[in-house]
Amino acid sequence: NAGVMQNPRHLVRRRGQEARLRCSPMKGHSHVYWYRQLPEEGLKFMVYLQKENIIDESGMPKERFSAEFPKEGPSILRIQQVVRGDSAAYFCASSPFEAGTDTQYFGPGTRLTVL
Amino acid sequence: AQSVSQHNHHVILSEAASLELGCNYSYGGTVNLFWYVQYPGQHLQLLLKYFSGDPLVKGIKGFEAEFIKSKFSFNLRKPSVQWSDTAEYFCAVNRGGSYIPTFGRGTSLIVHP
Repeated sequence: NAGVMQNPRHLVRRRGQEARLRCSPMKGHSHVYWYRQLPEEGLKFMVYLQKENIIDESGMPKERFSAEFPKEGPSILRIQQVVRGDSAAYFCASSPFEAGTDTQYFGPGTRLTVL
Repeated sequence: AQSVSQHNHHVILSEAASLELGCNYSYGGTVNLFWYVQYPGQHLQLLLKYFSGDPLVKGIKGFEAEFIKSKFSFNLRKPSVQWSDTAEYFCAVNRGGSYIPTFGRGTSLIVHP
C-alpha cells in the first residue's frame, strides 16, 4: 500500500507565476490536510478537505490560495501570482476519517522556491 | 492563541550520549501531545503520543516523553542516542477533540558516530 504521494518534490517559480501542488492520499483515505512550513518555523495547518468538500480552511491565506479535492484524482493546492514569501515546504497528510494527527499519514512534502 | 515552544533548535551529540528535547505549550485545557520525527529525505512519522493515563509515554526506537501538566511540558528523552537518530524532531499539540495541531518549529538533531 503506497503512502501519501506528493509531487513535485521541488518546484521553482518566478514571482507572479502559478504554483500547483498535488497530493495523492493513501488508498482508502478520503480526508486530506495541507500544512505549510516556513523557514525556521513549525508546520502550520492550512486546510482540511474531504472528497469534493472543503471542511475547514481557517489556516489558508484569504487571497491567491485555493485547494480542492475532486471526486477523482489528487488534491490540488493552488497558489496564484506567487511571491517570495510563499517559499516554503508544503506537506499533505491523509486519513481514512476525520482524525487528529496521530492517525494522519504525511507525505514527503513539496519544497516551493519563488525567485 | 496556542503556541508550542521547542527551546533547542539545533542539538549535536555523540553516539551513546543522552538526549532531552524540550517542548512547552501555552494552552491550559485538555490537550493531546505528540512528537514527530523526520529523517533526512523522508516523511514525517509519529514517534509517540499522549492522550491520557500514564504521563510517561514510551514510543518507538527507544524514545519516551513525560507529560508534566503543571509545567505545560512534554519533553522527549532517549538514554543513549545512535547515529541513525539524526533527524528533525517536532512537538505538536492538539486541543482535546480538535484535529488541528499546533507544531513547534522543530529541533535539528545531529549525532556523530
